[in-house]
Amino acid sequence: EPEVTQTPSHQVTQMGQEVILRCVPISNHLYFYWYRQILGQKVEFLVSFYNNEISEKSEIFDDQFSVERPDGSNFTLKIRSTKLEDSAMYFCASSYIAGSSYEQYFGPGTRLTVT
Amino acid sequence: LAKTTQPISMDSYEGQEVNITCSHNNIATNDYITWYQQFPSQGPRFIIQGYKTKVTNEVASLFIPADRKSSTLSLPRVSLSDTAVYYCLVGERAAGNKLTFGGGTRVLVKP
Repeated sequence: EPEVTQTPSHQVTQMGQEVILRCVPISNHLYFYWYRQILGQKVEFLVSFYNNEISEKSEIFDDQFSVERPDGSNFTLKIRSTKLEDSAMYFCASSYIAGSSYEQYFGPGTRLTVT
Repeated sequence: LAKTTQPISMDSYEGQEVNITCSHNNIATNDYITWYQQFPSQGPRFIIQGYKTKVTNEVASLFIPADRKSSTLSLPRVSLSDTAVYYCLVGERAAGNKLTFGGGTRVLVKP
């Protein structure tokens, strides 16, 4: 079964540093998403991406965040200047090919620790 | 966006059937009901989706009464590996729509 992959599985960074989280969505999927989950809290939507542009973003997704699909396979989330409160699991997801049930397929996540 | 309410936690034993009920009193006409499962330190995984009556797949069944104000996810004969958080989501079934997760129901299956 095809799956979404994410790298790295764990990233430790210092406050103020830039991080890039990488995702390889399922090939032929058209929509891509980032979610995050702070330890012990709900899964929160960050951003959705379609046709090489942002479709929707949440209030969390401020100017410190950006997404990119640099080639035909990767989908990245960049945090320009990390804060302590950015520590969380970050999940990439992808969805939708014609005729599918619109379900989103999530990757295993990247645990980001900001010190 | 329809608000959902589900129990915070449930305990069960191996081999038993687990039923999780979700309330969504203000569900809209175009809304579908979708359930996701999340194991510790993993991403959520789609389980089942339905609009009305009953839907069954190899993992679970979803029962939706005629008024659609609630739904029940049924997990038959659970095993220890079914220990997870189960989320009920309600929203339009459309490509690209974001998922809005609530707190979910933490199911603990005991031996």
